Amino acid sequence: RKEVEQDPGPFNVPEGATVAFNCTYSNSASQSFFWYRQDCRKEPKLLMSVYSSGNEDGRFTAQLNRASQYISLLIRDSKLSDSATYLCVVNPGGYNKLIFGAGTRLAVHP
Amino acid sequence: DARVTQTPRDKVTEMGQEVTMRCQPILGHNTVFWYRQTMMQGLELLAYFRNRAPLDDSGMPKDRFSAEMPDATLATLKIQPSEPRDSAVYFCASSNRARGVVPMNTEAFFGQGTRLTVV
Repeated sequence: RKEVEQDPGPFNVPEGATVAFNCTYSNSASQSFFWYRQDCRKEPKLLMSVYSSGNEDGRFTAQLNRASQYISLLIRDSKLSDSATYLCVVNPGGYNKLIFGAGTRLAVHP
Repeated sequence: DARVTQTPRDKVTEMGQEVTMRCQPILGHNTVFWYRQTMMQGLELLAYFRNRAPLDDSGMPKDRFSAEMPDATLATLKIQPSEPRDSAVYFCASSNRARGVVPMNTEAFFGQGTRLTVV
């Protein structure tokens, strides 16, 4: 079993739609969690950290469920510019090691 | 604008040749990661360093891969001999974690990657 698992998609949604991605992790001792965004043929960039209480940044909401060991990302009012691959990232503890999921591809169409 | 710099951006080489990829982390960052990305496997952690010391290189094929940090401004990843299955994009990333601080929000900054093709 992979340490971090995501549905690869693609999720094809129209502009304005709400879309949600989930990610599960295997190490219950994991300490911190993130969502990164990667555009085609570019490097990954931090989208947002995921806090235990859940957090929101504009149209993006991230939630953590430690009991079930999953993380979610909700995007409201999708824009064409949201089209990208979204990477779930987990620090399994210890030395700030970052483990990436394989990514979920989102395609927003007009 | 601080950034992680990787060279070369693209490399095409023949099977059996040695390949060296270089990374200049953001000045002051104390943690450097090497990742490999392929369509099939996604981003795989190959190795990472804290204060230039290797902490974990269990993701790296030891027989042909080696990673070093000769100084705080340079990290290298070497493949010798290279094989077609090594074709991938290799990313270097750096971050900064203060001693004793739980890494709640430690962001890793990525370079633009080296696209390696072994023929």
